[in-house]
Amino acid sequence: DGGITQSPKYLFRKEGQNVTLSCEQNLNHDAMYWYRQDPGQGLRLIYYSQIVNDFQKGDIAEGYSVSREKKESFPLTVTSAQKNPTAFYLCASSPSRTPNEQFFGPGTRLTVL
Amino acid sequence: GQNIDQPTEMTATEGAIVQINCTYQTSGFNGLFWYQQHAGEAPTFLSYNVLDGLEEKGRFSSFLSRSKGYSYLLLKELQMKDSASYLCAVDTNAGKSTFGDGTTLTVKP
Repeated sequence: DGGITQSPKYLFRKEGQNVTLSCEQNLNHDAMYWYRQDPGQGLRLIYYSQIVNDFQKGDIAEGYSVSREKKESFPLTVTSAQKNPTAFYLCASSPSRTPNEQFFGPGTRLTVL
Repeated sequence: GQNIDQPTEMTATEGAIVQINCTYQTSGFNGLFWYQQHAGEAPTFLSYNVLDGLEEKGRFSSFLSRSKGYSYLLLKELQMKDSASYLCAVDTNAGKSTFGDGTTLTVKP
């Protein structure tokens, strides 16, 4: 089945540790995105990539890093520089044509202790 | 800058009709999305409007006025399972979407 997967669903880390969240898609989509969602709030864009080996900062990129070495994969690293990393992280992908409807993964809930 | 406004919360009764409004001011506009998000889950696509007017899809309809920077999502014959957050998102011409904070709809019996 075609889709977008994120793992793990729940992740716990100690303060000061870097952590990498996985995002894989087999929809053959060119564009991929990472969002952060805090309780009762909308989606805030962290990073996005429209093509392999290229990515752009979103609205809240500080403390995060990404890579796009393969079309199917767009991992997000939450670094120790991110001041408040506990949140729900959503990955999405879309075709590079209008409309660029986004297909979302199930999300990873990260808790930093 | 980008600014998208939606009401934070709405409550409606099962079987009724509810209209969720969205106003936007963005640099670049290709179209407007509505997504549904149940608590703890990923958003799912509901509709996309490019041209002015009403698009109907079963119990859900979406309206767009580009000149007014305004859209609404209309939900008819409300069911309990419609309790969710509804996200308005503008498809900008920068290859990304800008999301509003969402409207949490509670459907009561």
